[in-house]
Amino acid sequence: GENVEQHPSTLSVQEGDSAVIKCTYSDSASNYFPWYKQELGKGPQLIIDIRSNVGEKKDQRIAVTLNKTAKHFSLHITETQPEDSAVYFCAAKGSARQLTFGSGTQLTVLP
Amino acid sequence: KAGVTQTPRYLIKTRGQQVTLSCSPISGHRSVSWYQQTPGQGLQFLFEYFSETQRNKGNFPGRFSGRQFSNSRSEMNVSTLELGDSALYLCASSFPSGGSGETQYFGPGTRLLVL
Repeated sequence: GENVEQHPSTLSVQEGDSAVIKCTYSDSASNYFPWYKQELGKGPQLIIDIRSNVGEKKDQRIAVTLNKTAKHFSLHITETQPEDSAVYFCAAKGSARQLTFGSGTQLTVLP
Repeated sequence: KAGVTQTPRYLIKTRGQQVTLSCSPISGHRSVSWYQQTPGQGLQFLFEYFSETQRNKGNFPGRFSGRQFSNSRSEMNVSTLELGDSALYLCASSFPSGGSGETQYFGPGTRLLVL
């Protein structure tokens, strides 16, 4: 089945700096890659997603890049703010037609 | 538009009991998926329902079951609870068919504690 690895597990950045979280996947048939943000006591919230026919997608301070050849995708957050502090999950949907999640990254933005 | 709602939000049970959790999807969404989230195993897929039929199933024992009603609301049931079933159970809905590439929106989850 699909295996998604996510790095780093924890990330601390200064307010205003950029943060990058990377994920790799194993199923070459995967074609959908969402990113979720989860705050304490809440369910995951979709922040951006990308499909396999697109290499990059941007939404204000958030961008995702996809390299299908290397089977990896990354989340980029620019101009980080304290409210960006949360756990971020990547996921991939492949031939099993179910979302497989990475293990999560705890992002802390230091004021 | 109201988001995904889950009830109850918190639940305490003892080993051997059974529990039923409920999920109401976003209006118009026809697919509902369930996930278990634990610190050790992370987010794991349980099953997906579409048009009252289970369309996909993860690697969980038969004690975990679910169903979907004609109004797309879904329930999941865990029988003979074990301590390891303590987790946050999340429901996600998607539109229109839950097929590959459809965006899933999560509810707040039900926190289950098994004593």
